Amino acid sequence: QVQLVESGGGVVQPGRSLRLSCKGSGFTFKSFGMHWVRQTPGKGLEWLATISFDGSESYYGDSLRGRVTISRDNPGNTLFLHINSLRSDDTAVYYCATGQVPYYWGQGTLVTVSS
Amino acid sequence: QSALTQPPSASGSPGQSVTISCAGSSSDIGAYKYVSWYQQHPGRAPKLIIYEVTGRPSGVPDRFSGSKSGNTASLTVSGLLADDEAIYYCSSYGGNNNYLLFGGGTNLSVL
Repeated sequence: QVQLVESGGGVVQPGRSLRLSCKGSGFTFKSFGMHWVRQTPGKGLEWLATISFDGSESYYGDSLRGRVTISRDNPGNTLFLHINSLRSDDTAVYYCATGQVPYYWGQGTLVTVSS
Repeated sequence: QSALTQPPSASGSPGQSVTISCAGSSSDIGAYKYVSWYQQHPGRAPKLIIYEVTGRPSGVPDRFSGSKSGNTASLTVSGLLADDEAIYYCSSYGGNNNYLLFGGGTNLSVL
């Protein structure tokens, strides 16, 4: 079955950078677009970024544009999200998802930005 | 403020039907067939229940149905069960500059 497992979350100081990872299994990773979506505590879903199946195209939402890079390693079945200059309002659960639109989702990784 | 507009709450009694709306624009819902709906229970990841306006993933009961008219999409849940109590989010493709848009979510209560 399709599995997506995020990692890399934790407590990070404001201004620092962070790289989140998402390991996929149970499907042909290299054939599908991938997405990052976050959810702040008690709030709704916010799309962050999307990357095409081969990594040739990427799209970013306004909230993190300029501070974020999405990338993927198809041989390693892994998706990445690199975020710079973290702020307190970046505190959220970060989900990865696969499909043309988010179809299968991981369980999320919590990022807490705090000094 | 979310790009797509949903009512914050909805409710119904067991066995009844409830419809949740999702208002967008001619640049997103009105322009594309890529409207999705997600169900999220507390502490869990979102789960896709409707894709491409009316499609149902394998395993999703046919009590869940989707539709679209103009710039507004709708999710109907028929034969309400207690387990349907959750937050429902709509989503739409919005073109390359706004690839994916979400609604603010609707908290469905089964009374």
